[in-house]
Amino acid sequence: DVKVTQSSRYLVKRTGEKVFLECVQDMDHENMFWYRQDPGLGLRLIYFSYDVKMKEKGDIPEGYSVSREKKERFSLILESASTNQTSMYLCASSSAGAYYEQYFGPGTRLTVT
Amino acid sequence: AQSVAQPEDQVNVAEGNPLTVKCTYSVSGNPYLFWYVQYPNRGLQFLLKYITGDNLVKGSYGFEAEFNKSQTSFHLKKPSALVSDSALYFCAVRDMPGNTGKLIFGQGTTLQVKP
Repeated sequence: DVKVTQSSRYLVKRTGEKVFLECVQDMDHENMFWYRQDPGLGLRLIYFSYDVKMKEKGDIPEGYSVSREKKERFSLILESASTNQTSMYLCASSSAGAYYEQYFGPGTRLTVT
Repeated sequence: AQSVAQPEDQVNVAEGNPLTVKCTYSVSGNPYLFWYVQYPNRGLQFLLKYITGDNLVKGSYGFEAEFNKSQTSFHLKKPSALVSDSALYFCAVRDMPGNTGKLIFGQGTTLQVKP
C-alpha cells in the first residue's frame, strides 16, 4: 500500500512563527503536492513538485514556500504564520503523468493564534 | 479554464436506498475524472477514475460512476447505501496542461446516510 505520512496531525503556532510541515511518501512517486482544505472551498493547491528541487506554484502560493531535497520528502514552510493560515493541510503524491490518482496523507490541522 | 462543480452541498439518503452524488465538469480536451472520499479527520481516499473506455466505472466499496460526455457529468452512484458511507466526497478533473498530474477539485458534497 502507498503510504503518505505527515509530521503532525495537530499543530498550534503563534502569529509570526516560522512553521514547517513535513510530508514523506514511500512509493517512489515523482509528483508531490500540498493543498489546504477549508470548508466550502474544497482543496486548493498551494505548491506542486514534479522532481527533486523542482517546484511550481499552485493557486494560492502567497505566504508559503516549499522544499524538496529528496524524492520522498516534500516540506511546506509558512515563513511568518498568520491567523488566516489556520486550516487543514493535506499532502499528496502520485506517479508522473495524467492518468494516475493521487494518494493523500492524513492531514495536519494547523491553528495559528 | 478547467473546472468541476458539485451542485449539492449535502445529500441525505436512507440506508438501503440508492445514492447519487453529482459532478459536472468543464474542460478543454479529453476529461480525466476522479472521485475521492474523506472520512472525518482523515485524508482523502481514491475511489475511482475515468480515463477512457467504458462509460460506467466501478471502484472501491461498491461505488460506481457514469461518465456522460453530452451532459459533461460524472455522477457517483451506489445501489444500496450504508451508514458507513457517510463522508465528504470530492470530484476532481485533471488540470491542463494534461501531463502534470495536477487535479482541480470540486468543493465537496457531504453524504449523510441515515439508519
